[in-house]
Amino acid sequence: NAGVTQTPKFRVLKTGQSMTLLCAQDMNHEYMYWYRQDPGMGLRLIHYSVGEGTTAKGEVPDGYNVSRLKKQNFLLGLESAAPSQTSVYFCASTDLLGSRGAYGYTFGSGTRLTVV
Amino acid sequence: GQQLNQSPQSMFIQEGEDVSMNCTSSSIFNTWLWYKQEPGEGPVLLIALYKAGELTSNGRLTAQFGITRKDSFLNISASIPSDVGIYFCAGQLGSNTGKLIFGQGTTLQVKP
Repeated sequence: NAGVTQTPKFRVLKTGQSMTLLCAQDMNHEYMYWYRQDPGMGLRLIHYSVGEGTTAKGEVPDGYNVSRLKKQNFLLGLESAAPSQTSVYFCASTDLLGSRGAYGYTFGSGTRLTVV
Repeated sequence: GQQLNQSPQSMFIQEGEDVSMNCTSSSIFNTWLWYKQEPGEGPVLLIALYKAGELTSNGRLTAQFGITRKDSFLNISASIPSDVGIYFCAGQLGSNTGKLIFGQGTTLQVKP
């Protein structure tokens, strides 16, 4: 049981290039999220999905797009990378557990992206 | 948007010492969570709190959900070198989206 798998683990992009980060989970979770982590700023939500075919904006969505065509996959796209998008990107998934609504995310191990 | 203020930002302690960190917010949360992140990995859930005043332990870790629902603390007793990492608090506001708001993190270093 792999949990949440992110690919790639590392990437260097030139300004203006595009790329897609892939997140795959094998826990049949409904809810998936993309966060970015920057020093001293914690984790900030980029986009999220509450189910297959749905997506919504988070706290810092500008410059990113997402798709959730299959329940197990959540893709994060950068159409035209900028140096400000240099960060570590984390995908997470969860499912509501009865009345307690655990919201205990399972995180992937991250993608370290550098835009030069 | 909503913010969580986590303190301290970093701690450098001696093995065996106890550690305390906390999070405060201007917003009321329904759920508080504490995560630990080790280098090169994603955060891992340590403790989840669901009710105001709740005190929960996980081994040497103890966390409490503040009575006002606007704060939470995490204590680590008798620290060991493997406690090193970044600790994050996270709050859930009560929507049905599962969205969490994270604190800035507390970086813990333990000297053997």
